[in-house]
Amino acid sequence: DAGVIQSPRHEVTEMGQEVTLRCKPISGHNSLFWYRQTMMRGLELLIYFNNNVPIDDSGMPEDRFSAKMPNASFSTLKIQPSEPRDSAVYFCASDGLAGGTDTQYFGPGTRLTVL
Amino acid sequence: DQQVKQNSPSLSVQEGRISILNCDYTNSMFDYFLWYKKYPAEGPTFLISISSIKDKNEDGRFTVFLNKSAKHLSLHIVPSQPGDSAVYFCAASGYGGSQGNLIFGKGTKLSVKP
Repeated sequence: DAGVIQSPRHEVTEMGQEVTLRCKPISGHNSLFWYRQTMMRGLELLIYFNNNVPIDDSGMPEDRFSAKMPNASFSTLKIQPSEPRDSAVYFCASDGLAGGTDTQYFGPGTRLTVL
Repeated sequence: DQQVKQNSPSLSVQEGRISILNCDYTNSMFDYFLWYKKYPAEGPTFLISISSIKDKNEDGRFTVFLNKSAKHLSLHIVPSQPGDSAVYFCAASGYGGSQGNLIFGKGTKLSVKP
């Protein structure tokens, strides 16, 4: 398996623009997580899905952020409108817990810069 | 308020010596703990984990120790190698490791010098 795939790897945009980050989880995994990493806050969970259903979005910073998982093999994280403080590395992770302890597998991340 | 704390942002160790990375947590409901390693421009990768029913778990050069009364865990790497240079994240879960949130610390950057 290719692992968790994220695109784009780098995104530079201007304040006010819409940004869409994409993630393809590992085939067969039924949970998907979006994280954001910043120097100040470290690695923080934004939202996670189980069987394509959002379970906990309490980490989504504000209404400008939205996430979807239309099917088991694809998820998007959208920021509209983007702001400079959204600049961070965004990670997607998936796991395939079917009972027992789980391990989340992370993608390589998308480095977002909002000017 | 941080529930998982890694108070040392960086650590430098000589090759061949022991590296000890520390992590403290505040939530007594956490019952499963993990360590992840992260190289630059890559996502974190799972390293080792421990359930709260144990106080030690070993995997090759890596050992995690858990002290529940002190709400403290540590990762020992021995002997340390230059390839171990990375950022190490401690994470905790309150679901016995089952699906749900992992709460991460801010990470400790380990540098192993030849």
